[in-house]
Amino acid sequence: GAVVSQHPSRVICKSGTSVKIECRSLDFQATTMFWYRQFPKKSLMLMATSNEGSKATYEQGVEKDKFLINHASLTLSTLTVTSAHPEDSSFYICSARVVRSDTQYFGPGTRLTVL
Amino acid sequence: GNSVTQMEGPVTLSEEAFLTINCTYTATGYPSLFWYVQYPGEGLQLLLKATKADDKGSNKGFEATYRKETTSFHLEKGSVQVSDSAVYFCALQGGSEKLVFGKGTKLTVNP
Repeated sequence: GAVVSQHPSRVICKSGTSVKIECRSLDFQATTMFWYRQFPKKSLMLMATSNEGSKATYEQGVEKDKFLINHASLTLSTLTVTSAHPEDSSFYICSARVVRSDTQYFGPGTRLTVL
Repeated sequence: GNSVTQMEGPVTLSEEAFLTINCTYTATGYPSLFWYVQYPGEGLQLLLKATKADDKGSNKGFEATYRKETTSFHLEKGSVQVSDSAVYFCALQGGSEKLVFGKGTKLTVNP
């Protein structure tokens, strides 16, 4: 149980285009999902916390208009990187928190490369 | 604020060696503590957790004990295997439900 999927697993796009990444909890409902960014050989940086049916809460320094987060249902959250630039290239990971639990389950990540 | 400090790697061991990865934390209140593992090219997987002082989390031969007096949550395994090669992250979760991660320790186990 507690499986989280992400799609796509890898994406390459041109500079200036937008990319959408999906995060799904497959066998449980998640009122809260989290989006992280991981740089090479570094730890995970929390970008935003996404609650179903409400606006996401962004961490300091994360541009809301660039990283659009939508949490439309209890099993799906999306991250859209708008007007992508090469510096947005990174590994993006989502996690979902099981209702009434302190445990987060992580997706396998999405490798974004912006040319 | 909350923070996690874990030993810097990389750590290289021979198969069947004993493993310790140190982790200490700073937090207000009583956080939950976690160890996550990331295999090459994959996302993080929960390895074990402990939610209160003196709790011991264990899984797949790995263990860690929540030590409030030393604010530590060291990861141990008595006999590592090649398949344990991965990056290990210590993390804490306080009242805000946000996870705070250490920088990760890369473990390589050689046959």
